[in-house]
Amino acid sequence: DQQVKQNSPSLSVQEGRISILNCDYTNSMFDYFLWYKKYPAEGPTFLISISSIKDKNEDGRFTVFLNKSAKHLSLHIVPSQPGDSAVYFCAALTPGYALNFGKGTSLLVTP
Amino acid sequence: GAGVSQSPSNKVTEKGKDVELRCDPISGHTALYWYRQSLGQGLEFLIYFQGNSAPDKSGLPSDRFSAERTGGSVSTLTIQRTQQEDSAVYLCASSSHAGGMTYEQYFGPGTRLTVT
Repeated sequence: DQQVKQNSPSLSVQEGRISILNCDYTNSMFDYFLWYKKYPAEGPTFLISISSIKDKNEDGRFTVFLNKSAKHLSLHIVPSQPGDSAVYFCAALTPGYALNFGKGTSLLVTP
Repeated sequence: GAGVSQSPSNKVTEKGKDVELRCDPISGHTALYWYRQSLGQGLEFLIYFQGNSAPDKSGLPSDRFSAERTGGSVSTLTIQRTQQEDSAVYLCASSSHAGGMTYEQYFGPGTRLTVT
């Protein structure tokens, strides 16, 4: 049973525009969330995280928003760059400290 | 410093054979995780080691899978009597859990396992 869902398998955005990647979760016990970026043939790289005590966390071009009541989070990338093209995974920290991952969204930023 | 390393990077094996995958975590990281990513899927948790505590094996898909972590550092994931559905990229991650609310896990490049 998929507890972290990324319903858009792919997204295409023009360079300079905003990329918005969405993630939904079903388990209300989750209280810490992370976004990872993955290039082909490489391991995932940590991008940004958010605790449930916050509704927003910003790091440079990356901002994560958390809506606890809707069990929804989103990653905003502004402005998008061609080097941002990768697969983005949303993950929730389980009580046992493992990460529960979504299936990923493949982002393509076109020049 | 050095990141998480894994070996081999690629492994092709025949159905029914045993395989061993190795992970060297970041020095000083007390927590080590194994995940796998099958084609078109997200990362699936397998097992978690934290210090000297008993490992969390709740994600292992069958008793053909086992893992060890010797001396609190290097870990080996063993798959016995491999099946074609075991084909996946096996990823290792480590983290420090050292103070604060930092739970980021740092991943190695993975081992691509193909069972023929």
